[in-house]
Amino acid sequence: AQKVTQAQTEISVVEKEDVTLDCVYETRDTTYYLFWYKQPPSGELVFLIRRNSFDEQNEISGRYSWNFQKSTSSFNFTITASQVVDSAVYFCALSESSGNTPLVFGKGTRLSVIA
Amino acid sequence: EAGVTQSPTHLIKTRGQQATLRCSPISGHTSVYWYQQALGLGLQFLLWYDEGEERNRGNFPPRFSGRQFPNYSSELNVNALELEDSALYLCASSPFYVQYSTEAFFGQGTRLTVV
Repeated sequence: AQKVTQAQTEISVVEKEDVTLDCVYETRDTTYYLFWYKQPPSGELVFLIRRNSFDEQNEISGRYSWNFQKSTSSFNFTITASQVVDSAVYFCALSESSGNTPLVFGKGTRLSVIA
Repeated sequence: EAGVTQSPTHLIKTRGQQATLRCSPISGHTSVYWYQQALGLGLQFLLWYDEGEERNRGNFPPRFSGRQFPNYSSELNVNALELEDSALYLCASSPFYVQYSTEAFFGQGTRLTVV
């Protein structure tokens, strides 16, 4: 069965600090996708990134970067030089090719960036 | 292009009543998903509709039901409301049948409060 664990419930950082959000997943499939979503106070989930199981290249997008390691079943998300606008709940999610559940989410990490 | 829209934004019901939540997907998207986000529990998968049919449902009692209309919009019904049904209900849509590889686009949610 597929499962996503985000062990960090809440993180607080001071503006301009770097912060890493952890995500560990479980799956028996060899083909799967991993996602990160951001949920600001407005409630709507905003898609950030999708990564397939065959592509272990790390990705950088501006201040955001993602580290995918199949050996440790992790897909961690780093925000460099955090800003107050980064304050939100961040969700990691998994979708299996053989599964009937579109997206299985972790419980989320609430990030607070303090000015 | 309009995103996923949900109505109403907020809904207050009394225990035992029925609630109806509505979702309009992004134009061209055939799949609609419903998730429940209760406090501290992350996003729990409720229902998945594609081309008018229920593809899968999560571990929720039968009083949670829904349907998808010919225009792909969807409705979630919750009967015999209980206090623990109070949550943010999020609807998402995606464009392709091969769901596992496609990110889902989320609406802003309906905040249901049962008193």
